[in-house]
Amino acid sequence: GAVVSQHPSRVICKSGTSVKIECRSLDFQATTMFWYRQFPKKSLMLMATSNEGSKATYEQGVEKDKFLINHASLTLSTLTVTSAHPEDSSFYICSAPPLGWGGGTDTQYFGPGTRLTVL
Amino acid sequence: GQQLNQSPQSMFIQEGEDVSMNCTSSSIFNTWLWYKQDPGEGPVLLIALYKAGELTSNGRLTAQFGITRKDSFLNISASIPSDVGIYFCAGRPLLIYGGSQGNLIFGKGTKLSVKP
Repeated sequence: GAVVSQHPSRVICKSGTSVKIECRSLDFQATTMFWYRQFPKKSLMLMATSNEGSKATYEQGVEKDKFLINHASLTLSTLTVTSAHPEDSSFYICSAPPLGWGGGTDTQYFGPGTRLTVL
Repeated sequence: GQQLNQSPQSMFIQEGEDVSMNCTSSSIFNTWLWYKQDPGEGPVLLIALYKAGELTSNGRLTAQFGITRKDSFLNISASIPSDVGIYFCAGRPLLIYGGSQGNLIFGKGTKLSVKP
């Protein structure tokens, strides 16, 4: 099946620093990727939709200047948490539907997640 | 916005027992998905449902898309220790309800614990 990777799997940083998380589709192309955030024992909340070649679409309440998204190619999207603070500590998960996905019958494949801890 | 109510929140059962969990919504969904998430990992798709009334199996797992398009259930038969984890339902609402294309709405999860 389709494989989505994330790097790093775990990162610890000091408050005020910026952290970049990569999401790659390994064996398929994706013009769209999704970034989710998950708090402990909570469900996944969609943060933004990453679009190759255009600006990302952010969900209501998500600061676009705080969470910078760049969809550099058909296999790579990056999420940069700028000036991270302890409240940004969370599990960040990306997902990607295969190219040609029409939003109907195809499904999204999730990455393994990145655990961010801000001290 | 749309919400999914998933129940139960947690289950603690004996190995070999059957398990049932469900999700309901106040609005119509055109896709229902069931995922399993192990600790520190991303969700893995178990079953996808696309048509009202559809009943689909994947090994010991069976899921159904409710005919009202507002609910779905997942059954696990003869549970084993490796079934432990958190199960999430997810749905894609109709665009007329304001759902972004591709926007999956997730339930809050059902934590399954199995006694060996």
